[in-house]
Amino acid sequence: AQSVTQLGSHVSVSEGALVLLRCNYSSSVPPYLFWYVQYPNQGLQLLLKYTTGATLVKGINGFEAEFKKSETSFHLTKPSAHMSDAAEYFCAVSGGTGFQKLVFGTGTRLLVSP
Amino acid sequence: GAVVSQHPSRVICKSGTSVKIECRSLDFQATTMFWYRQFPKQSLMLMATSNEGSKATYEQGVEKDKFLINHASLTLSTLTVTSAHPEDSSFYICSARDLLAGASYEQYFGPGTRLTVT
Repeated sequence: AQSVTQLGSHVSVSEGALVLLRCNYSSSVPPYLFWYVQYPNQGLQLLLKYTTGATLVKGINGFEAEFKKSETSFHLTKPSAHMSDAAEYFCAVSGGTGFQKLVFGTGTRLLVSP
Repeated sequence: GAVVSQHPSRVICKSGTSVKIECRSLDFQATTMFWYRQFPKQSLMLMATSNEGSKATYEQGVEKDKFLINHASLTLSTLTVTSAHPEDSSFYICSARDLLAGASYEQYFGPGTRLTVT
């Protein structure tokens, strides 16, 4: 079975500050990891994904994440927050026998203050 | 590319009636589509996996007779909520996996459908 833990249901930062959203996963097989962003009353948009290869993954809107197998983590970062980054962020994992399924974390709401 | 649409975006229906939600992949073929349910301020819960031309696979606890899923073509899947009740009110989101995606397992999500049952 696979699972994802997102620490912190809410994260507040000031505009221009570093954004760090935490994600830890559990998987019995090599995982594929994803970060999605959701704006109110909208579907999910893929920010970035890790499948194989380079462990530092760059995504859209200046976000990046690093896959750390030893720490079973896939934290999402952005050097400088923008007001438009305020949204809900979901980490997800897939892999194994249910390889097509995505298992989502509970989400982290990012609040950006001016 | 990789656009998924849902129709309708919002629907209000009376208790006891049925509602159909469509999910379409607009610019790619999707052998597999997924249906999720999201309660306010909560994560997405997978309801079922829909494969073109075959019966959907439902997650544990999801009533297959209540949530009817049809995946008749490579670009269209439908979810019908039968005999809807107020507790079925939720945000329903579909996603589709590109036939040519290979092993990346990436899913493209629709914009969601807000169902309100009165």
